[in-house]
Amino acid sequence: EMQLVESGGTLVQPGGSLRLSCAASGFIFSGYSMNWVRQAPGKGLEWVAYISSSRSAIYYADSVEGRFTISRDNAKNSLFLQMTSLRAEDTAVYYCARESHSSSSFWFDPWGQGTLVTVSS
Amino acid sequence: DIQLTQSPSFLSASVGDRVTITCRASQGISSFLGWYLQKPGKAPKLLIYGASTLQSGVPSRFSGSGSGTEFTLTISSLQPEDFATYYCQQLNSYRTFGQGTKVEIK
Repeated sequence: EMQLVESGGTLVQPGGSLRLSCAASGFIFSGYSMNWVRQAPGKGLEWVAYISSSRSAIYYADSVEGRFTISRDNAKNSLFLQMTSLRAEDTAVYYCARESHSSSSFWFDPWGQGTLVTVSS
Repeated sequence: DIQLTQSPSFLSASVGDRVTITCRASQGISSFLGWYLQKPGKAPKLLIYGASTLQSGVPSRFSGSGSGTEFTLTISSLQPEDFATYYCQQLNSYRTFGQGTKVEIK
């Protein structure tokens, strides 16, 4: 069974740093691009970052560019999100999601269960 | 950046109703659009990709259509387990989600 499990979410002070992890199992992790998506309390989904299977392409949402870094370790089937200069508006549940593709489309499936990051003093 | 606008943002419907949700893109995205369902406290679940391809295991009462800038998600006969929030997502340029459509019981 394909599975993604996030960890690392916690309470952190404004200006602080945090590293999220996403452990993948049940599929060949090194063959897929991966994404981070977040959801602030009571709000909609916001795409955060993308990394290709070989790390050759990395993209960020404008809201996190320069503060967040996405990375992966294909040998350990793991995805990471290093977050720095955290702000109150970064408070959210953070999901990792596998990106699949066909000749004519892309999609996110599966998703992890999410990990909560709270930025507050 | 490509913006997605869903309408309506909220709808009230009854079991058995036919429901249609629209997603409009700020520029053409071909068929690089997906639809997701999310229930409270749960991760989103893929329903449709490529604008109209039903994900394996998703009931056939769900269907998607459109290309370019206008897309629709239709539920032919609303079931109790379908009351949730629905999101469209574009994957043509970076990735963007619509603001969501909450479907509640009338």
